[in-house]
Amino acid sequence: EIVLTQSPVTLSLSPGERATLSCRASQTVYTYLAWYQQKPGQAPRLLIYDTSNRATGIPARFSGGGSGTDFTLTINSLEPEDFAVYYCQQRRNWPLTFGGGTTVEIK
Amino acid sequence: EVQLVESGGGLVQPGGSLTLSCVASGFSVGDYAMLWVRQAPGKGLEWVSGLSWDGSERGYADSVKGRFTMSRDNAKNSLYLQMDSLRPEDTGFYYCAKGRLVVVVTDLDYWGQGALVTVSS
Repeated sequence: EIVLTQSPVTLSLSPGERATLSCRASQTVYTYLAWYQQKPGQAPRLLIYDTSNRATGIPARFSGGGSGTDFTLTINSLEPEDFAVYYCQQRRNWPLTFGGGTTVEIK
Repeated sequence: EVQLVESGGGLVQPGGSLTLSCVASGFSVGDYAMLWVRQAPGKGLEWVSGLSWDGSERGYADSVKGRFTMSRDNAKNSLYLQMDSLRPEDTGFYYCAKGRLVVVVTDLDYWGQGALVTVSS
């Protein structure tokens, strides 16, 4: 099973600042990595798939990068609605696994 | 518009059974992989089961293997999760999700609102 480790656990930032979230895989997932956003009381929402492709309707301030075992999600100029929990997920092989999540909170 | 609506959650005693249903609209469940993902209260996401578009691939997390059964009814455009021998650690929100791809090793581009399952005596 591929283990995904996200860091930091919590990121405290102000609106307008840039957020950089990390996801590290225990073995290579090539570029088969996705990012999700989850707000309290809501289902997760796909943001990025295959490392750097934005899902339908996702604003351009969200971007993803990396390859192999190290990946980043960057949110340029945080909007109030961006404060949420973010998860990474690999689809390199079975079983599908998720990272433990990073909470982006208002400083 | 793609929508997924789960139902069937509730309170069940340890050892009991429950069946979750998920009705899809805006696409055909037989055209994509479909999956179930759960989330214990205050915890992260855990993949539970997946089914490829043609049914040739079907898989379960080790934590539910032998107890949960996933099925699909293309005519009703619906997905099901039969859960037997339930344990307290099965408690959580269960999300029905559409795979972006046809194979089970996929990311998930649409999610239902979740059904709460509580296993407690």
